[in-house]
Amino acid sequence: GESVGLHLPTLSVQEGDNSIINCAYSNSASDYFIWYKQESGKGPQFIIDIRSNMDKRQGQRVTVLLNKTVKHLSLQIAATQPGDSAVYFCAEKSPRDDKIIFGKGTRLHILP
Amino acid sequence: DAMVIQNPRYQVTQFGKPVTLSCSQTLNHNVMYWYQQKSSQAPKLLFHYYDKDFNNEADTPDNFQSRRPNTSFCFLDIRSPGLGDAAMYLCATSKGWGNEKLFFGSGTQLSVL
Repeated sequence: GESVGLHLPTLSVQEGDNSIINCAYSNSASDYFIWYKQESGKGPQFIIDIRSNMDKRQGQRVTVLLNKTVKHLSLQIAATQPGDSAVYFCAEKSPRDDKIIFGKGTRLHILP
Repeated sequence: DAMVIQNPRYQVTQFGKPVTLSCSQTLNHNVMYWYQQKSSQAPKLLFHYYDKDFNNEADTPDNFQSRRPNTSFCFLDIRSPGLGDAAMYLCATSKGWGNEKLFFGSGTQLSVL
């Protein structure tokens, strides 16, 4: 079946360090993945996406890595800042009906 | 500039009393979605409109209805709210379907007394 899940529900990172948030998916036919950031009291905000014909994609301070062999993707945030505190969701486009399916989310805590 | 606007920000209703949540968009996107989100869980899709075509998720209760009178506006009607319907309701839009990033509003936090 289709499922998108995260390995860790909470991640604490020292300010200035790099953060890595992981996500596993189950359907090898999935070909489009998205990371969203949700700050407290706000709706999810698009961060970065990646298609299955790529292994890596970089944005401003963020990098998404896709490992299709083990059906795993990760979000790397460089030089984590207090404003990065949020819940991060990975999402997957269902190959069955093209719907966007959200994973459970990881809360990122920034330590001073 | 707000692109997906949800009103109200907080809504309190009584058990069984109908409530309507509203969403408007300035993006002229074809697709509008309603998601339900509880306690930092993953957003759960209730239904979506592609233009005027309504698409209900199989597990969305009949208690939840939606209207899209024009491109810009979409409403979520809860006919008889129960305590289990207390949640954040998120409206989102996308230009098309599939391979499209979603633009979310800030949500309406619904409380049921």
